[in-house]
Amino acid sequence: RKEVEQDPGPFNVPEGATVAFNCTYSNSASQSFFWYRQDCRKEPKLLMSVYSSGNEDGRFTAQLNRASQYISLLIRDSKLSDSATYLCVVTRSGGSYIPTFGRGTSLIVHP
Amino acid sequence: DTGVSQDPRHKITKRGQNVTFRCDPISEHNRLYWYRQTLGQGPEFLTYFQNEAQLEKSRLLSDRFSAERPKGSFSTLEIQRTEQGDSAMYLCASGVTEAFFGQGTRLTVV
Repeated sequence: RKEVEQDPGPFNVPEGATVAFNCTYSNSASQSFFWYRQDCRKEPKLLMSVYSSGNEDGRFTAQLNRASQYISLLIRDSKLSDSATYLCVVTRSGGSYIPTFGRGTSLIVHP
Repeated sequence: DTGVSQDPRHKITKRGQNVTFRCDPISEHNRLYWYRQTLGQGPEFLTYFQNEAQLEKSRLLSDRFSAERPKGSFSTLEIQRTEQGDSAMYLCASGVTEAFFGQGTRLTVV
């Protein structure tokens, strides 16, 4: 089983839709959690950190459920420019603190 | 530009040749990571440095791969005797908690 699992999609949604992605992780001792965005043939860029209390940044809301070991990302009022791959990232506990990436979920927002 | 810088951006090499990539991290970051990414997959961890010390290597990092970070500043990743399966995007990242990525080096082995 992979450390971080994501549905690769693609999720194909119209502009203005609300879309949610989930990600599960296998290591219960994982320490930190993030969502990254990656555009085609570009590097991953940090979208937001995910806290136990949940956090919101504009149209984006991230939540963490430690008991069930999953992380979610909700995008409201989707824009064409939201089309990208969304990568779930989990860091291991302990000294090495190495970010482990899921394979990403592809989002296509159409007019 | 104070971001992570990678060089070269693209590299085409013949099978069996050696290649070396360079990464200049954000200056105040002591953690540096190398990843490899192929089409349709997320970045896969290769190796990690804390300052100049290489603290962890993935099983993906065969003995043809070597990485260094002299003096805890820039890092190099060398691939010896390249194979077609080495074709991928090689990403460098630095950070304290979050990881910030360079634009990557796209390697094509022909």
